[in-house]
Amino acid sequence: GAVVSQHPSWVICKSGTSVKIECRSLDFQATTMFWYRQFPKQSLMLMATSNEGSKATYEQGVEKDKFLINHASLTLSTLTVTSAHPEDSSFYICSARGLAYEQYFGPGTRLTVT
Amino acid sequence: ELKVEQNPLFLSMQEGKNYTIYCNYSTTSDRLYWYRQDPGKSLESLFVLLSNGAVKQEGRLMASLDTKARLSTLHITAAVHDLSATYFCAVGQGNQFYFGTGTSLTVIP
Repeated sequence: GAVVSQHPSWVICKSGTSVKIECRSLDFQATTMFWYRQFPKQSLMLMATSNEGSKATYEQGVEKDKFLINHASLTLSTLTVTSAHPEDSSFYICSARGLAYEQYFGPGTRLTVT
Repeated sequence: ELKVEQNPLFLSMQEGKNYTIYCNYSTTSDRLYWYRQDPGKSLESLFVLLSNGAVKQEGRLMASLDTKARLSTLHITAAVHDLSATYFCAVGQGNQFYFGTGTSLTVIP
């Protein structure tokens, strides 16, 4: 089956630094990937849609200059949290679009900003 | 914007009992997904429902879809402790998924 990986699985960083999270589709090509954020005991909130070779589409209220998304190849999308602050601490989950509108979810990255 | 509501938000049930989780959504869609999430983990796909009247069953879980009522249900039969988790429905529209609020299920021995 389709497998999506994320790296790192967890990261702790200091306030003001930047963190990059990678999302890879391991056995299929994904022209479209999605980035979600999930706060404790809450649902998943779509942050942005990442399309290979073009700019990401951000959801309302998501700062595109703070959450930089790059989808440089058909198997890799990256999310960079710039100048991270404690309120950015969250569980970040990516997904890759498969056939027939299915989405395959990565294992998630837990970010803690101190 | 498409809105997806689940109820109940929290569910505590005894082993062996039956219960149903409801997922209502606000605008037309013909794709409905159910996922399970364990604490600290990502989503596990349970069911994909693609047409009105669709019913799928896996073990003690059964999902159905009524596109006219914009309602999906996840029925739990004879619950066991291993089913304790958070369950999300998600509605597909175009490229995107819209997730429900989630139902935190605790099965008590």
